[in-house]
Amino acid sequence: SQQGEEDPQALSIQEGENATMNCSYKTSINNLQWYRQNSGRGLVHLILIRSNEREKHSGRLRVTLDTSKKSSSLLITASRAADTASYFCATDEGYSTLTFGKGTMLLVSP
Amino acid sequence: KAGVTQTPRYLIKTRGQQVTLSCSPISGHRSVSWYQQTPGQGLQFLFEYFSETQRNKGNFPGRFSGRQFSNSRSEMNVSTLELGDSALYLCASSLDRGNEQYFGPGTRLTVT
Repeated sequence: SQQGEEDPQALSIQEGENATMNCSYKTSINNLQWYRQNSGRGLVHLILIRSNEREKHSGRLRVTLDTSKKSSSLLITASRAADTASYFCATDEGYSTLTFGKGTMLLVSP
Repeated sequence: KAGVTQTPRYLIKTRGQQVTLSCSPISGHRSVSWYQQTPGQGLQFLFEYFSETQRNKGNFPGRFSGRQFSNSRSEMNVSTLELGDSALYLCASSLDRGNEQYFGPGTRLTVT
């Protein structure tokens, strides 16, 4: 069953713009992880944020977590064509079982 | 460090056959999880192994099984294949619960 729900389902922007994706979930979590997937290939781990953290940065990525609203957001700054991919959030309740949303398809045009 | 590897990368099987997929985790990782990805159902958890023991199992029929060896390598087996088993099967490794899970490139299984 789907726990995380990403919003929007699809996002189209120009190179250099920022991209923001949101994720909502339903139950209490231990951590939330964001992944990128290019054209049906394997998932690339982007960032993990724990339930006691509110914000994390990694390069051009910024992730926030609001456990009271059961939501997270992923911000990609200064997007590049190479960022074109599907992005998934996955929640971990602490049992090593990741529950994924359906993902956001990001298209970055040159 | 080498990443998670999966073999084979592509597989075509006929309904009724069985298949075995292999996963080698990142060195030092003892937890291996398997996921199925389809266009209709998205990414779904199959099972997780830690130190050769299955710790968690998703909501899949008994035709789906797995095991883990003492070197943490894992295999999953699907018996009596059905058309609906066509999917990308992904393996992920982790140090233990609550840590990052790193995925392999996946095995694309097509059942005809």
